[in-house]
Amino acid sequence: DTEVTQTPKHLVMGMTNKKSLKCEQHMGHRAMYWYKQKAKKPPELMFVYSYEKLSINESVPSRFSPECPNSSLLNLHLHALQPEDSALYLCASSQAIGPNEKLFFGSGTQLSVL
Amino acid sequence: AQKVTQAQTEISVVEKEDVTLDCVYETRDTTYYLFWYKQPPSGELVFLIRRNSFDEQNEISGRYSWNFQKSTSSFNFTITASQVVDSAVYFCALSESGNYGQNFVFGPGTRLSVLP
Repeated sequence: DTEVTQTPKHLVMGMTNKKSLKCEQHMGHRAMYWYKQKAKKPPELMFVYSYEKLSINESVPSRFSPECPNSSLLNLHLHALQPEDSALYLCASSQAIGPNEKLFFGSGTQLSVL
Repeated sequence: AQKVTQAQTEISVVEKEDVTLDCVYETRDTTYYLFWYKQPPSGELVFLIRRNSFDEQNEISGRYSWNFQKSTSSFNFTITASQVVDSAVYFCALSESGNYGQNFVFGPGTRLSVLP
């Protein structure tokens, strides 16, 4: 199983809503990532978890809150988002963190904030 | 600072044509890694190839080939006999030796459209 599964595929939310994005992998990978991708742009790193501990937070606003309940699951909790947060949110995993690691990506959650 | 340039924003070809996607990178490290990823309309980025800075051998995988030239800081990707299924956005990326999770730098991407 070489898949990273993300749910939901699409999400529309108002600025006062609270929602969560979910990501799951069963490849035994110990590093998991959240990326944000705006239309016609490359992905931008948001968070990195290594062995279920938050390793990197790329100065992301606190309205985005990541959580790694176990080595297979990664969540992104959303609260009080702004319309400019509308984007494709991609989850990825790798065996570990390091410069030569291949990232395996999910197909993303397309988020629209109204 | 590390940087990746993909000068071609969009390319359109007709099926069966060969097409080359350019990637030029900038780094001060002597040890680094270069990647190509494909992003089809379904959204997920798919790993295509990884090359380390000490291995300048070109690589061929089916219809895909990669030409790594350190002298010009380029890592170009050629698709031979393109097919409609090759339509996607292709990202070149650079990872330096000190990268442990961060600083995996994607280029801006090249959108390839293969027309039937």
